[in-house]
Amino acid sequence: GDSVTQMEGPVTLSEEAFLTINCTYTATGYPSLFWYVQYPGEGLQLLLKATKADDKGSNKGFEATYRKETTSFHLEKGSVQVSDSAVYFCALIAGSGGGADGLTFGKGTHLIIQP
Amino acid sequence: GAVVSQHPSWVICKSGTSVKIECRSLDFQATTMFWYRQFPKQSLMLMATSNEGSKATYEQGVEKDKFLINHASLTLSTLTVTSAHPEDSSFYICSAGRGRRQDTQYFGPGTRLTVL
Repeated sequence: GDSVTQMEGPVTLSEEAFLTINCTYTATGYPSLFWYVQYPGEGLQLLLKATKADDKGSNKGFEATYRKETTSFHLEKGSVQVSDSAVYFCALIAGSGGGADGLTFGKGTHLIIQP
Repeated sequence: GAVVSQHPSWVICKSGTSVKIECRSLDFQATTMFWYRQFPKQSLMLMATSNEGSKATYEQGVEKDKFLINHASLTLSTLTVTSAHPEDSSFYICSAGRGRRQDTQYFGPGTRLTVL
């Protein structure tokens, strides 16, 4: 079945450091790929998405590129801030082409940014 | 826009009782809603897909008689945990789909269920 693997956390960085959170997937067809973020005490929020190969999703300084050849969707940010501290989930929806599908999530990566 | 609410935010119940959790899309209509379960420090696992006006579709391993889902309107889906037991204690999260393939989902804040 479909699955998402992302790097284990917690990941601790200093403010203004470069961030990469790795994410790889296995899926049938052509999935859509997502990064969701969960801030402390809040629900999941969509951070960015990409729906086809070579698409780049971006939002709030974060970027991720849909790499079909490596089945990856790594999350990057050039300069992190303390306010970026949260849990980040990589996820996919299988490209079955049918009706609505639920998301398949990775286990989440807890990011801690220190001032 | 695209706000999803859940009620209650937390509930404690005795073993053997039933608990109902509501999920509402506040400012849009959602023909499809999803229910997830999240264990501590683990990922979200899809339990079922709730379609307005029809039966829910359950993921493999999820007991449909234990987790009753009703999607009676375009803005409300309910999850009832019947005859709850301590192993049902978890964080339950709903989402509502938007977009052509419902592939953008907006999540509720979750409901913490503790069964004593």
